[in-house]
Amino acid sequence: RKEVEQDPGPFNVPEGATVAFNCTYSNSASQSFFWYRQDCRKEPKLLMSVYSSGNEDGRFTAQLNRASQYISLLIRDSKLSDSATYLCVPSSGTGRRALTFGSGTRLQVQP
Amino acid sequence: DAGVIQSPRHEVTEMGQEVTLRCKPISGHDYLFWYRQTMMRGLELLIYFNNNVPIDDSGMPEDRFSAKMPNASFSTLKIQPSEPRDSAVYFCASSAGQDGGETQYFGPGTRLLVL
Repeated sequence: RKEVEQDPGPFNVPEGATVAFNCTYSNSASQSFFWYRQDCRKEPKLLMSVYSSGNEDGRFTAQLNRASQYISLLIRDSKLSDSATYLCVPSSGTGRRALTFGSGTRLQVQP
Repeated sequence: DAGVIQSPRHEVTEMGQEVTLRCKPISGHDYLFWYRQTMMRGLELLIYFNNNVPIDDSGMPEDRFSAKMPNASFSTLKIQPSEPRDSAVYFCASSAGQDGGETQYFGPGTRLLVL
């Protein structure tokens, strides 16, 4: 099993739609989780951190299910500017600072 | 505030040539990471440093790759000799240990093409 698994997409949604991505991880020791956003031909940028059961930041909500080892990202009222690849990143859980990045889910919001 | 700085932004070279990529981390950050990104393999960690000391280089593909961090504000990733399969985007990232060291800030990357 891969350390991090994500549906590569693309998810094609109209403006204003609600879209959700799931991510499964294999390391049960992971304590913290991150969603990074990567625009085409740009560097990854931190979107959201999750340290407990979930986190909400405006239109973005992340939820964590430790028992099933998955984390989701929900985007409400999608904007054209949300079009990007979303990378799921669980921590190592062992104090090792390196992170394992998922391969990402591509979102395309259409007018 | 200045973010992570990488140079060059683009590099085109011929097989067999030496390539040196440079990175300046965010001031005050004590962790520095080198990643490689390709369509096939995604974002892969090559090596990371803490306080200028290499901690984990298990991701370095082979002896052709080497990385150094002579001081807190500068790191290099060298490929010698380069091969076409080394073509990728190479990212440098840094983080600050005091917040857990897990939020990483990426530079804009170096796009390397080896012909």
